[in-house]
Amino acid sequence: AQSVTQPDIHITVSEGASLELRCNYSYGATPYLFWYVQSPGQGLQLLLKYFSGDTLVQGIKGFEAEFKRSQSSFNLRKPSVHWSDAAEYFCAVGNQGGKLIFGQGTELSVKP
Amino acid sequence: DADVTQTPRNRITKTGKRIMLECSQTKGHDRMYWYRQDPGLGLRLIYYSFDVKDINKGEISDGYSVSRQAQAKFSLSLESAIPNQTALYFCATSGEGIGVGLTKNIQYFGAGTRLSVL
Repeated sequence: AQSVTQPDIHITVSEGASLELRCNYSYGATPYLFWYVQSPGQGLQLLLKYFSGDTLVQGIKGFEAEFKRSQSSFNLRKPSVHWSDAAEYFCAVGNQGGKLIFGQGTELSVKP
Repeated sequence: DADVTQTPRNRITKTGKRIMLECSQTKGHDRMYWYRQDPGLGLRLIYYSFDVKDINKGEISDGYSVSRQAQAKFSLSLESAIPNQTALYFCATSGEGIGVGLTKNIQYFGAGTRLSVL
C-alpha cells in the first residue's frame, strides 16, 4: 500500500538558516511526488512536484526538492529561511489514477 | 476570486444534526475531492469524483455522503454529525482544465471549512 512518512512533526529554525524537511514514501512503481504548504487559515498551495526526469526539482518561494529512488525519499530544502516560511508542510505521493496520499505534515517555526 | 470556493468557512453544529459543506470551482476541472485534516494525521480522503456520474469512496467515507450536482459543484454531507467529525475539511480539484501545462495529477485546494460538532 502507498504511504508517506514525514518523521518530523515540528521543526524550528532561525531566520536565514538553511532548512531540510524529510519525506519518505512507500510505493510500488515510480511515484508522482508533491510538496504543499499550508499557511495559517489558508488552503494548501503547491510548492513543487516531481513526475519524471531531473531528480532535483525547483519550486516556488525558493524551495527545491530532490527525489532519491534508492532511499524512497523526497526531501524539501531551502538555503535561507524567511519568517514568512512559517507554516505547515505536507508531502504527498500520487499515481496516474489521480489520488494523493499525504504525510502527517511538518510544522515549521522560524525564530527571529 | 478564488478558483476553488468552500462554504461555509466556519460552522458549529450539534450532535445529530445534518450538515452540508459546499464546494464550487471555476477551474473547469473534471475531478473533485473531499479531505479532512486532523492534527498529526495529515489529510485523509473522504470521497472523490472524476466526473458528474462518478462517485468513489475514499479511505474514511463512513458517516459522510456526497453529491456532484454539476461539473463545478461537489457537496459533502454529514447525515448525523458526531463530535469526532470535528475537523478542517478541504475540497480540491484536478483535471485537464483551462490553460497550459496543467495535468490531472495536480490538485488545487479551497481555503477549507472548519467544522465543530458539539
